[in-house]
Amino acid sequence: GAGVSQSPSNKVTEKGKDVELRCDPISGHTALYWYRQSLGQGLEFLIYFQGNSAPDKSGLPSDRFSAERTGGSVSTLTIQRTQQEDSAVYLCASSLDSDRIYGYTFGSGTRLTVV
Amino acid sequence: SQKIEQNSEALNIQEGKTATLTCNYTNYSPAYLQWYRQDPGRGPVFLLLIRENEKEKRKERLKVTFDTTLKQSLFHITASQPADSATYLCALDPRRALTFGSGTRLQVQP
Repeated sequence: GAGVSQSPSNKVTEKGKDVELRCDPISGHTALYWYRQSLGQGLEFLIYFQGNSAPDKSGLPSDRFSAERTGGSVSTLTIQRTQQEDSAVYLCASSLDSDRIYGYTFGSGTRLTVV
Repeated sequence: SQKIEQNSEALNIQEGKTATLTCNYTNYSPAYLQWYRQDPGRGPVFLLLIRENEKEKRKERLKVTFDTTLKQSLFHITASQPADSATYLCALDPRRALTFGSGTRLQVQP
């Protein structure tokens, strides 16, 4: 597609439920990133994919968070047993190369609200 | 520890003036630095990249400087317009993924 697509755009879930967030990167972009942004805060790095492998998972806040990428394309971020502190906007980005000299292209994010 | 600092206070300027935003960092030795623009409810949009061996980079009304001795980048918007109102983020790459500052909100008054 023309840009990075994320779905759903909004998700309200009850505490304790599992959620899946999807990211469709730009076709041909080998690198894919997940960040989250709490209200009025900066971007917090979660995980990075190069192809289907994740060389850097250091930002995942707990073992309730996991992500996968298949076919070098679509990625899914899963949060199990959601907690209220998981409420944030989850942003996905892709880049043409692992050197990132072309910058990241971000999606519009998924706003997750845990009630 | 590594830190990126941007002025958390909003910058208010009059239309037509030059806006200058600052990004300071500590305990990094970045090969390059990037600037992004973020509008409410949207993801950040890439604006410019400047390498460690470049002192200055320009793109239309935008100018970025990079001083690796001071560990500082300045981001300038000349002839600012109300449409330039947004949050501007700087980002560094110490590892495998960009680390972003918390951003500075710019408000250009007509």
